[in-house]
Amino acid sequence: KAGVTQTPRYLIKTRGQQVTLSCSPISGHRSVSWYQQTPGQGLQFLFEYFSETQRNKGNFPGRFSGRQFSNSRSEMNVSTLELGDSALYLCASSSGGATNEKLFFGSGTQLSVL
Amino acid sequence: AQTVTQSQPEMSVQEAETVTLSCTYDTSESDYYLFWYKQPPSRQMILVIRQEAYKQQNATENRFSVNFQKAAKSFSLKISDSQLGDAAMYFCAYKDTGRRALTFGSGTRLQVQP
Repeated sequence: KAGVTQTPRYLIKTRGQQVTLSCSPISGHRSVSWYQQTPGQGLQFLFEYFSETQRNKGNFPGRFSGRQFSNSRSEMNVSTLELGDSALYLCASSSGGATNEKLFFGSGTQLSVL
Repeated sequence: AQTVTQSQPEMSVQEAETVTLSCTYDTSESDYYLFWYKQPPSRQMILVIRQEAYKQQNATENRFSVNFQKAAKSFSLKISDSQLGDAAMYFCAYKDTGRRALTFGSGTRLQVQP
């Protein structure tokens, strides 16, 4: 089985722009979660989608949004980029069943905001 | 809110030796899950081991084992027979049984000396 695929791997944007990141989960997985990783704040949960519905949400401003398509692929969008949005964005997929289930992570998208 | 603390920013171990990484957490819940994740330079988070709070027996996965002390809210990871490939960032993580979000610690960078 192919693993979790995130595209692009690297992205450079300027303040005020918007960006869309993509995550393709493992085949058969219906849950996709997104995490932001920064040196200062560490790893923080953004949101989780299951069967095209947002099921959980972290404490991020409304500039951060996401969606999930019928094939379980997910996109994350950040509007009006700020310097502090520079981070590694990781997505993880799972079947979406038990809460202790194993999450499979992608290699992330490194976003730099100039 | 739940918090996870890793007090060792960096650790070093000789190849074939044993090392223990520390983690403490704070929660008012009685049932929850704990995890150790490894993040190598590839940036992909990999699950090392997980523990259900209701289980008294400590989890073991090959060379990796945990010391789970529920009353003390401590969850340490022991790596036996350390290998060069064990060098990575290690994150301790917590999850409520009713939520999908992981709360991560700040991480411990493990170096393995040949």
